[in-house]
Amino acid sequence: DSGVTQTPKHLITATGQRVTLRCSPRSGDLSVYWYQQSLDQGLQFLIQYYNGEERAKGNILERFSAQQFPDLHSELNLSSLELGDSALYFCASSAGDSPPPFNEKLFFGSGTQLSVL
Amino acid sequence: SQQGEEDPQALSIQEGENATMNCSYKTSINNLQWYRQNSGRGLVHLILIRSNEREKHSGRLRVTLDTSKKSSSLLITASRAADTASYFCATDAGAYGQNFVFGPGTRLSVLP
Repeated sequence: DSGVTQTPKHLITATGQRVTLRCSPRSGDLSVYWYQQSLDQGLQFLIQYYNGEERAKGNILERFSAQQFPDLHSELNLSSLELGDSALYFCASSAGDSPPPFNEKLFFGSGTQLSVL
Repeated sequence: SQQGEEDPQALSIQEGENATMNCSYKTSINNLQWYRQNSGRGLVHLILIRSNEREKHSGRLRVTLDTSKKSSSLLITASRAADTASYFCATDAGAYGQNFVFGPGTRLSVLP
């Protein structure tokens, strides 16, 4: 058990809909990362938050947004869903308190399997 | 574009044999990490090697890093069926060094 909790585990929805994925990081971790894993794209970095603020942005679509709340949990919002958004979405956390160059390892949740029909 | 690229894409060996996976990357890094993913599950951190390190060991794992060639290798000795998984290398990128970029992975099958 990594200590990172993601809900829900599975989500089935229709095209055009909006969903919210939730992540609770390990106790004490300040950084949260979101990744999308699909067969054709592999593991794609979406976005990172550190202590409530966006720190790094990857291949995140404009239809997607995320935030990290004061209690450090994070939510990933996916809207106007398309068939191609079907994927496994992972949240990961790290301590986030190391000085540059950080050298921190990531702890991954078990993911949310999103199926868009 | 992918920062790290693992090679081979798939590897099948017998229990007891050694498994070697390679990772190549394109730009300067602060560290390189290896992760394991069992089918459909979250990734699990295996080992981190800093850019100023050349070799690191952890149990049956041995990781090497050659920054001049921008490559790393992961060796699993005396493999077991439980080692069957996908293995990913991840390199740090971005201004804050925490935009970890993962390669496409190597699928390892260890046959009993």
